[in-house]
Amino acid sequence: DTEVTQTPKHLVMGMTNKKSLKCEQHMGHRAMYWYKQKAKKPPELMFVYSYEKLSINESVPSRFSPECPNSSLLNLHLHALQPEDSALYLCASSLWGGVGQETQYFGPGTRLLVL
Amino acid sequence: GESVGLHLPTLSVQEGDNSIINCAYSNSASDYFIWYKQESGKGPQFIIDIRSNMDKRQGQRVTVLLNKTVKHLSLQIAATQPGDSAVYFCAENRHSGGGADGLTFGKGTHLIIQP
Repeated sequence: DTEVTQTPKHLVMGMTNKKSLKCEQHMGHRAMYWYKQKAKKPPELMFVYSYEKLSINESVPSRFSPECPNSSLLNLHLHALQPEDSALYLCASSLWGGVGQETQYFGPGTRLLVL
Repeated sequence: GESVGLHLPTLSVQEGDNSIINCAYSNSASDYFIWYKQESGKGPQFIIDIRSNMDKRQGQRVTVLLNKTVKHLSLQIAATQPGDSAVYFCAENRHSGGGADGLTFGKGTHLIIQP
């Protein structure tokens, strides 16, 4: 089973709201990722977690705050977002055997609209 | 600039014909490549991968070719079916120095299957 689940599927929020996106996998993967995808564009990397530690932050604004409570869960906390942050947010996971050549499996994404 | 790109944004083929989707990359140090299929409203779905020590890899109805000399990658889909209609992305592992890495995606090609 190569399933990554994400909730919610859709989210509408105002610029003063605080919300969280959730991602879960039960494949025993130890690396998890957040990507942002704008309409008709490729996914762009935001964050990478390895063994529950943040290893890559692609200079993402602090209004996006990732969290990895355990090896199966990944959250993305949102606060004071801007309308241009509206996008599809994708979570992915990979085994991370440490060789840097690993398939990443993606969830269905959360479609976020900021008003 | 982007290290991975595609030559054609849209490819239209007749049902039953073979499709070839091309991708160029600029980072000669890239050592792992993945092709993803993304249907409307869904996350990227893994199709096939290839490591830099290989020139060709075959899956079910799909073949990936890697030409390291000209830094070119292609995805061949045999006997295309209506279900193959989607956007196809090539992606490379960023290989930023050990450990879990994010992916850099190409622009994507929209494959349209004509009946």
